[in-house]
Amino acid sequence: NAGVTQTPKFQVLKTGQSMTLQCAQDMNHNSMYWYRQDPGMGLRLIYYSASEGTTDKGEVPNGYNVSRLNKREFSLRLESAAPSQTSVYFCASRTTGFTEAFFGQGTRLTVV
Amino acid sequence: GENVEQHPSTLSVQEGDSAVIKCTYSDSASNYFPWYKQELGKGPQLIIDIRSNVGEKKDQRIAVTLNKTAKHFSLHITETQPEDSAVYFCAATNSNSGYALNFGKGTSLLVTP
Repeated sequence: NAGVTQTPKFQVLKTGQSMTLQCAQDMNHNSMYWYRQDPGMGLRLIYYSASEGTTDKGEVPNGYNVSRLNKREFSLRLESAAPSQTSVYFCASRTTGFTEAFFGQGTRLTVV
Repeated sequence: GENVEQHPSTLSVQEGDSAVIKCTYSDSASNYFPWYKQELGKGPQLIIDIRSNVGEKKDQRIAVTLNKTAKHFSLHITETQPEDSAVYFCAATNSNSGYALNFGKGTSLLVTP
């Protein structure tokens, strides 16, 4: 049982480049989330998808876009990467309501 | 939106002692409060959670208490062991935000033998 799979695990980008972070879950969860984690800042919500076909902004959405491709996949796109987007990105999923959220292993992104 | 404050940011205890981490939240509509443990290089994992209709919940060495009036909740770890060393996050959520979890900034717990 793979759970939540994120690709890639590591990435280095130059300022201005674009890339897409991929996330897939095999638990038939309705809701999916993207967080970024920075030292001393905890986990901050970027975007979420409460159900297939819907997406909403979180606390720090600027500079990102998302696509809920189907029930399994939720991607995060950086159109023009900036050094401020250097971070560890986590994808998570859960069934609707007050249930456990399962996290992927993270993508460590460095923008130079 | 919801604002979750977590204290302390670092905590060092000796093996066998107890550890307490405290969180406060701002949105009175929040009614689900999970705690996550993150080990180095891994994603966070749920260790315990509590709903607003319960004041306390215990699971072996771990317990969580909730005071809805004061809008604060706490994690208690008894008989700490070196493997409890990790970063712990509290979170709060409600249906208004699609049940998205709002996290505190984390507590780095070190248990020394």
